[in-house]
Amino acid sequence: DGGITQSPKYLFRKEGQNVTLSCEQNLNHDAMYWYRQDPGQGLRLIYYSQIVNDFQKGDIAEGYSVSREKKESFPLTVTSAQKNPTAFYLCASSTLRPSGELFFGEGSRLTVL
Amino acid sequence: GENVEQHPSTLSVQEGDSAVIKCTYSDSASNYFPWYKQELGKRPQLIIDIRSNVGEKKDQRIAVTLNKTAKHFSLHITETQPEDSAVYFCAASKEYKLSFGAGTTVTVRA
Repeated sequence: DGGITQSPKYLFRKEGQNVTLSCEQNLNHDAMYWYRQDPGQGLRLIYYSQIVNDFQKGDIAEGYSVSREKKESFPLTVTSAQKNPTAFYLCASSTLRPSGELFFGEGSRLTVL
Repeated sequence: GENVEQHPSTLSVQEGDSAVIKCTYSDSASNYFPWYKQELGKRPQLIIDIRSNVGEKKDQRIAVTLNKTAKHFSLHITETQPEDSAVYFCAASKEYKLSFGAGTTVTVRA
C-alpha cells in the first residue's frame, strides 16, 4: 500500500526538549516537504528537499532541523529553540515535476507541556 | 516570497447552492495553482489545479478560474452536498515551492 507514513500521531514534550518527527514514503518521490498547520494560518512551509543529502529552508525554518540521508525518509527535529512548537505537522512528497501533486501524510500533533 | 490571501475564512451554504472561494497571489512568476480539500481529521488532498496558460478548468461540480493580470484565482462548487463540508486551501507555486492560503471552512447546511 503506497503512501506516506508519519509517526508518532500524537506527541507530548516538555519545554526544553528536542523531539523528532518521522516521515517515510514509498512512492519513490524525489521531493519531500514539512508543513506546519495552525488554525487560521493555513499550511506554512518549514523545510523541503528535492534530492538526497540536500534541503532548503522554507518560510518558517527557525527552530527546526531536518536531514535527508535516504530518499524515503525526511525526519523533522523540533528543537528547544522553536518558540511556539505546539502545532499540527504535515509531511508531504511529490515528484520533481514543478506542478507535481503533493501527497500528504496523516500528520503529527505535537503538544508542549 | 509568495504571499497567498484567501477569502472568506468561513462559508456556510444551503445544500444545493453554490460556493465560491477567492484567492490572490503576489508573485507574478507563479505558474501553478492547486486547490486542496481537508476533511475533518484527514490529510489534505488535491481536488483540482490550474496552470498559468489556462483560464478555466472544470471537473464535474467544481471549477477553477484564473486571472493572471489581476493575480487572482477562484474555486467554484456547484450543487453543494454535505460531503463538500471541509476546509479548502488554495496555493500558488513556481518551481517546487508551494505557498498556501489560510484556508476556508465550508459548511453545507442540509
